[in-house]
Amino acid sequence: AQRVTQPEKLLSVFKGAPVELKCNYSYSGSPELFWYVQYSRQRLQLLLRHISRESIKGFTADLNKGETSFHLKKPFAQEEDSAMYYCALKSQGGSEKLVFGKGTKLTVNP
Amino acid sequence: DAGVIQSPRHEVTEMGQEVTLRCKPISGHNSLFWYRQTMMRGLELLIYFNNNVPIDDSGMPEDRFSAKMPNASFSTLKIQPSEPRDSAVYFCASSLFQGNTEAFFGQGTRLTVV
Repeated sequence: AQRVTQPEKLLSVFKGAPVELKCNYSYSGSPELFWYVQYSRQRLQLLLRHISRESIKGFTADLNKGETSFHLKKPFAQEEDSAMYYCALKSQGGSEKLVFGKGTKLTVNP
Repeated sequence: DAGVIQSPRHEVTEMGQEVTLRCKPISGHNSLFWYRQTMMRGLELLIYFNNNVPIDDSGMPEDRFSAKMPNASFSTLKIQPSEPRDSAVYFCASSLFQGNTEAFFGQGTRLTVV
């Protein structure tokens, strides 16, 4: 069964500090992993996906299959990064089920 | 394309009443997902469709919940009878089946059952 765990419900950092949002997954196959973000009063949107290996808004995430993790990192947090962040896993091989973690609310203080 | 469109945006209803939430996916997308968002449980997948066919409804909490997708451009989520614990934000999302494609979300329907 697919499962995504985000251990921190709330995370608060100061502007300019590094931030790491943790995500661990459980899946027997080869997963596709994503980070979605929901800013205040906006719809959920894709931030980045592991296969692209890209940096979006200064955020990066590396898939670690040994640790079954896909942590989201940014070296210098900005106030506009304050939002709800969801890690998501998509199964492959036909079912295309997209499952989310419970989310982490990030607050970046001035 | 206007994106995924959900209606209504807000719904307040009395316990015991039937509630129907509507979703129009992005044209050309063939996967559709219904999620429920609460503070306690985060984003829960209720059901998803591929090519209008329900693939996995294991997340549907009870028989009071049902979902349909009569065609590629419309889906409904119905709760009958509704209960106060159903109060949540319900999201619909669509994507292209297969591949590393993202899901596009609607604005959500905030349901309050009193």
